[in-house]
Amino acid sequence: DAGITQSPRYKITETGRQVTLMCHQTWSHSYMFWYRQDLGHGLRLIYYSAAADITDKGEVPDGYVVSRSKTENFPLTLESATRSQTSVYFCASSVQGIGSPLHFGNGTRLTVT
Amino acid sequence: TQLLEQSPQFLSIQEGENLTVYCNSSSVFSSLQWYRQEPGEGPVLLVTVVTGGEVKKLKRLTFQFGDARKDSSLHITAAQPGDTGLYLCAGPELNSNSGYALNFGKGTSLLVTP
Repeated sequence: DAGITQSPRYKITETGRQVTLMCHQTWSHSYMFWYRQDLGHGLRLIYYSAAADITDKGEVPDGYVVSRSKTENFPLTLESATRSQTSVYFCASSVQGIGSPLHFGNGTRLTVT
Repeated sequence: TQLLEQSPQFLSIQEGENLTVYCNSSSVFSSLQWYRQEPGEGPVLLVTVVTGGEVKKLKRLTFQFGDARKDSSLHITAAQPGDTGLYLCAGPELNSNSGYALNFGKGTSLLVTP
């Protein structure tokens, strides 16, 4: 079925480890986004991408790396995980530019111990 | 980043009551979107408002975009337990290099009890 898939759904990792969260969409949407959701902060944009090989920082990019070599994939890497990166991470895609709805995955709950 | 402030933060009401939640900003937006998020899932789009003063209805939900396009409201008539969730407003912010990004308010958490 078409859609946006995030994996893993749950992840526990230790401080200092590198971890990659995967996001795959089957719609060939141009735009993709990574958000983190925390109590008291809501959804905050980490990185986004307007197309393959085009990425840009959002509100809270520090400690994260993204790549977009293919339109359908947009992995998010935590280079050296910290406890403050414990959060629920959502990937989203959008068919075109401004005003288009975002389609979200069901999130990855990441715990850094 | 253009800030979106939502109020109230939490709302607990009984089935059948009416309610209104608000989304305010000091910035002008070309459009605003409303999403609903249920526990364990990603947000799902409810509506997009584009024109100042626009009113859109989705069954018992009525969305309004302010005349100046700086604020929006969501009114629910005769709330039902199925309306329980986190209601988020979101507005686009242009970036000359990479297109646009969508910024979200912190949301209103609504609980409707039978």
